[in-house]
Amino acid sequence: QVQLVESGGGVVQPGRSLRLSCATSGFTFSSYAMHWVRQAPGKGLEWVAFIWYDGSNKYYADSVKGRFTLSKDNSKNALYLQMNSLRAEDTAVYYCARDRKVGGYDSLDMWGQGTMVTVSS
Amino acid sequence: DIQMTQSPSSLSASVGDRVTITCQASQDISNSLNWYQQQPGKAPKLLIYGASNLQTGVPSRFSGGGSGTDFTFTISSLQPEDIATYYCQHYDNLLRVTFGPGTKVDIK
Repeated sequence: QVQLVESGGGVVQPGRSLRLSCATSGFTFSSYAMHWVRQAPGKGLEWVAFIWYDGSNKYYADSVKGRFTLSKDNSKNALYLQMNSLRAEDTAVYYCARDRKVGGYDSLDMWGQGTMVTVSS
Repeated sequence: DIQMTQSPSSLSASVGDRVTITCQASQDISNSLNWYQQQPGKAPKLLIYGASNLQTGVPSRFSGGGSGTDFTFTISSLQPEDIATYYCQHYDNLLRVTFGPGTKVDIK
């Protein structure tokens, strides 16, 4: 079955870096675009970034543009989020999610369980 | 940028009640609207895509409708396991994603 497993979260000081990983299985990873979505404690969902199936195009939320970098390794079935210059407001659970296009409609049809990132001194 | 609003922000209903949530887009988005359920402590789950299409495996008591700027999400008969926060979501033409602020549903 389809699985997405995030890792790499933890506690980090403001201004430091962290790299999140999303290991996938159960589907042809190289055929799917992927997203990162985050959720601050007690808050709603916030989209972070999106990468095309082949890694050729990437889009970022304004709140992370220039600080976060998304990459996709189709040979390892893995998605990564390099987070630099972290701020307190980046504290959140980070989810990776698969993008699916059906009938002309895109949706985030499969999600990982999330990994918690806490930015604090 | 397209903004998404939801109402109400929270609601309390009895088991068996019909529950309706609305989502409004700041401009016409045709049918490009999805609905997700997030149960407490869990990851979101896709319920409805393309405004009215039920995701495989999702119970038929869930339904969605609308187009353009105004959308609805309905639970025809609320069950205890439906306690969750429900989010609408839209993709723009650059495939950037916007979520609504969420509607928290609990049992009266």
